[in-house]
Amino acid sequence: DSGVTQTPKHLITATGQRVTLRCSPRSGDLSVYWYQQSLDQGLQFLIQYYNGEERAKGNILERFSAQQFPDLHSELNLSSLELGDSALYFCASSVDGGGGGLGYTFGSGTRLTVV
Amino acid sequence: SQQGEEDPQALSIQEGENATMNCSYKTSINNLQWYRQNSGRGLVHLILIRSNEREKHSGRLRVTLDTSKKSSSLLITASRAADTASYFCATVASGSARQLTFGSGTQLTVLP
Repeated sequence: DSGVTQTPKHLITATGQRVTLRCSPRSGDLSVYWYQQSLDQGLQFLIQYYNGEERAKGNILERFSAQQFPDLHSELNLSSLELGDSALYFCASSVDGGGGGLGYTFGSGTRLTVV
Repeated sequence: SQQGEEDPQALSIQEGENATMNCSYKTSINNLQWYRQNSGRGLVHLILIRSNEREKHSGRLRVTLDTSKKSSSLLITASRAADTASYFCATVASGSARQLTFGSGTQLTVLP
């Protein structure tokens, strides 16, 4: 157990639907990062939050949104789902904003299948 | 977009041999990290090397960094079947951006 908890582990949903993925960071970590891993695109950075504030944005589609709550857990919302959104979605956390030279702790991921 | 490429894409060796994986990146970095991923599982942090460091060791792992060539290598000595996994390098860029940018990964298979 890495200390980063992601739920659900698996999700199967239909095109056009909306889903919410949840992440609880490791205790004491203030930063949360979301990544998408697919066979054709590899590991893509989506978005980062630090202590409740959006810190950096990557290749996140407009159909996707995220937030970090006061208790530091984060949710990634995916809407108007398409077949191409099928992927592993990872959450990672770190104690600082990422520049302190510490590694990131990853959760075990949510496997999303859009049918 | 990917930060860079890893080489080779796949590597198959016998148990007890050493495995070397290479990573190239494109931008100036604050640090470079290596991660391991077992099939379909989460990524596990292995080692971090800062931009002002040239070499770092951790157990059977040795990482080198050449910032002039924008490249790094990961050496796993005396490999074991349990080392079979995908290995990714990831960089934290210099400046304000702090997220990890991953390479394409090397699939290592260690045969017993």
